[in-house]
Amino acid sequence: GNSVTQMEGPVTLSEEAFLTINCTYTATGYPSLFWYVQYPGEGLQLLLKATKADDKGSNKGFEATYRKETTSFHLEKGSVQVSDSAVYFCALSRSGGSNYKLTFGKGTLLTVNP
Amino acid sequence: ETGVTQTPRHLVMGMTNKKSLKCEQHLGHNAMYWYKQSAKKPLELMFVYNFKEQTENNSVPSRFSPECPNSSHLFLHLHTLQPEDSALYLCASSQDSATGGTDGYTFGSGTRLTVV
Repeated sequence: GNSVTQMEGPVTLSEEAFLTINCTYTATGYPSLFWYVQYPGEGLQLLLKATKADDKGSNKGFEATYRKETTSFHLEKGSVQVSDSAVYFCALSRSGGSNYKLTFGKGTLLTVNP
Repeated sequence: ETGVTQTPRHLVMGMTNKKSLKCEQHLGHNAMYWYKQSAKKPLELMFVYNFKEQTENNSVPSRFSPECPNSSHLFLHLHTLQPEDSALYLCASSQDSATGGTDGYTFGSGTRLTVV
């Protein structure tokens, strides 16, 4: 079936460090891929997305490239800030009849220290 | 208000109580979703409504009963819950259940439910 695997956390970095959070997926067909972020006490916010192979999604300094050959969608940021501390979720969309449903990974907690 | 609003933010209920969670979206979307978020587990899709019609029930126990009176409102009625039902319940919406697959969903802030 369709599934998402992302690296176990927590991830702790110092401010201005480089961030990578790995995400791989298993899916039939050509799913769309997403990264969501959840700040403490909040719901999930869409961070970026890519809908086809080799697409690069980007937002707020974060980037991820849809790699079909490695079935991956790793999240990267060149210089993290304390305000980036949150839980990050990788997700894919899968079709089921008329519905396209999002399937999420377990989430990776990122803590950025000053 | 804009976006997706969930009320209450926090709820504590006994196992014999009946309560309801409310979700309202002001985005003009036509699809709405309930997800359950438990510690150490992936988000679990519970229900999908598209143009007020339920199109997905992901084998959810009958003690959870959804209601979608119109495209802007979604309720989750709760009765005789178990302690393991304690979780964050998230509501989400998308333009419809097809475009949600490419555009993604807009989530509310959730209701933190504790069953005692």
